[in-house]
Amino acid sequence: NAGVTQTPKFQVLKTGQSMTLQCAQDMNHEYMSWYRQDPGMGLRLIHYSVGAGITDQGEVPNGYNVSRSTTEDFPLRLLSAAPSQTSVYFCASSPQGPEEQYFGPGTRLTVT
Amino acid sequence: EDQVTQSPEALRLQEGESSSLNCSYTVSGLRGLFWYRQDPGKGPEFLFTLYSAGEEKEKERLKATLTKKESFLHITAPKPEDSATYLCAVQGEWGAQKLVFGQGTRLTINP
Repeated sequence: NAGVTQTPKFQVLKTGQSMTLQCAQDMNHEYMSWYRQDPGMGLRLIHYSVGAGITDQGEVPNGYNVSRSTTEDFPLRLLSAAPSQTSVYFCASSPQGPEEQYFGPGTRLTVT
Repeated sequence: EDQVTQSPEALRLQEGESSSLNCSYTVSGLRGLFWYRQDPGKGPEFLFTLYSAGEEKEKERLKATLTKKESFLHITAPKPEDSATYLCAVQGEWGAQKLVFGQGTRLTINP
């Protein structure tokens, strides 16, 4: 099993550009989530999904979109990048709910 | 609103010097409290789940305990490989599909 994979590992965007952060898991997990991690602020939940076709907002959803068309994939879209979205982004998955999540290696995003 | 506060922000110990990390929380009905370990440049790795006050979990040199207001992660005779950031998170009744994380404690064990 590859576990949770994220691409790209690093990305630099200019303000106003859009992009998609990819996340995939091969463990047949129903629950998937996206977090951002900023210095001194811990992990903050952006969006989550409890199964294919079902998504919901977390603590900091503004400026981000998600969709879940398959069990395996949960992409995060930045609609119009802003410097405030400079952060490290983690995707995670777990069998049913947010308990005991498996995290991916992260994507470090810089918006200039 | 569920909140988690971890202390201290950073802790530096000598190898073999035992200590504890604190996680204080306020939550609308605790469903679970979770400890994760995060190494630099990597994603968090799950360590423990605690469900009710008085519960304890152990793994090698780590022991997690839970009261109604806080959790402690006790580290006994630590080794340099225990150096990492330790994250605490809670799952409440109202936000049962979400975890709220603390800001973490950065632990450094000097040989």
